[in-house]
Amino acid sequence: QITLKESGPTLVKPTQTLTLTCTFSGFSLSTSGVGVGWIRQPPGKALEWLALIYWDDDKRYSPSLKSRLTITKDTSKNQVVLTMTNMDPVDTATYYCAHRASDFDIWGQGTMVTVSS
Amino acid sequence: QSALTQPPSASGSPGQSVTISCTGTSSDVGAYNYVSWYQQHPGKAPKLMIYEVTKRPSGVPDRFSGSKSGNTASLTVSGLQAEDEADYYCSSYAGSNNFYVFGTGTKVTVL
Repeated sequence: QITLKESGPTLVKPTQTLTLTCTFSGFSLSTSGVGVGWIRQPPGKALEWLALIYWDDDKRYSPSLKSRLTITKDTSKNQVVLTMTNMDPVDTATYYCAHRASDFDIWGQGTMVTVSS
Repeated sequence: QSALTQPPSASGSPGQSVTISCTGTSSDVGAYNYVSWYQQHPGKAPKLMIYEVTKRPSGVPDRFSGSKSGNTASLTVSGLQAEDEADYYCSSYAGSNNFYVFGTGTKVTVL
């Protein structure tokens, strides 16, 4: 059974850097074809894809946020980390990580991040 | 990188069918057979319902079906049930530069 869980701060100040961790079980990120992605959803708004890392360390970023995002993996710990710099109140959202094989087929429960001074 | 366009809302009575459209461009929906659909109930994480335009993950009822014509993909829910009331999002692969894009979302109401 594949599960994913997001963790990180619930509140960050403007201009700070956000670091989110996705801890997963039930699969290995060293298996060919497998990836883990990050998607966010501001309150009452649509989903927005942020970043994706594959088993071979190939990394993809949303063009509009690429300069602010870094995604890394620790295969031994079964974790994927997303950092987002220069946080702004518009970045307030629920942040999800998701397993990618047949697209984003298994999602974590999400973690709400509020950006406020 | 613009979001795919979906109607804000759609509705139908129990037992009826509802179809949701998802309009992209020749650089995303029209270029690749990698369109997916997600169902999201309030306060819950999205759930994959359709991938690669027409394929259903294990456990998704066959009442859910997908199709594509040109730059527009569609999700049809047949035999509407109360539990189908949710938000639905499409998504598409958008090439090596833009990579991935979601739709604007459609709220489906079961009357």
